[in-house]
Amino acid sequence: LAKTTQPISMDSYEGQEVNITCSHNNIATNDYITWYQQFPSQGPRFIIQGYKTKVTNEVASLFIPADRKSSTLSLPRVSLSDTAVYYCLVGTFAARQLTFGSGTQLTVLP
Amino acid sequence: EPEVTQTPSHQVTQMGQEVILRCVPISNHLYFYWYRQILGQKVEFLVSFYNNEISEKSEIFDDQFSVERPDGSNFTLKIRSTKLEDSAMYFCASSAEGGTRTSSYNEQFFGPGTRLTVL
Repeated sequence: LAKTTQPISMDSYEGQEVNITCSHNNIATNDYITWYQQFPSQGPRFIIQGYKTKVTNEVASLFIPADRKSSTLSLPRVSLSDTAVYYCLVGTFAARQLTFGSGTQLTVLP
Repeated sequence: EPEVTQTPSHQVTQMGQEVILRCVPISNHLYFYWYRQILGQKVEFLVSFYNNEISEKSEIFDDQFSVERPDGSNFTLKIRSTKLEDSAMYFCASSAEGGTRTSSYNEQFFGPGTRLTVL
């Protein structure tokens, strides 16, 4: 199982772009990279998933360099409601159990 | 938008008592899961369930725990004799079968959780 490393916390201001980087040096060929978001006292929520290069959806973008040893979640123009813990997960296509790390606590300030 | 629901939202019990936590997964999903999160700690996988049987379980999921899908909609987690250390938020999740290379692998949809307090 690929180990992931993320910053423990980040602060940002409303309207700014936030980039959270996750390191996964021993990612395997079949592993995908997935990001989840968790608000206090709620269950995690899927944000985005990718295998390589760049993926974008209505919420975020995910940048994955060619060596796939890291990935960056980009949140455009954050608001106060984006304050949450963001988890980077790495796992195989067939994986059923999600392994959460400690995540990154993002605090958006007014 | 379909969602996973869980009841109760908060359960208080005495040590040694049995508790049953209930979940209604998203209706066309075939994989069901339980996770727990002790206050201030990581979300931990407990068990996955498919085709009316456990497909994976973690070391946490010992003989005190059991899961059941008693009918076509509910999915339950039973803790037979609760301990103080079972106090946690318990999340149910569900996912569609498989997933394909053009869609999210194993995107799991989590419920709002049941906060279990063991006194």
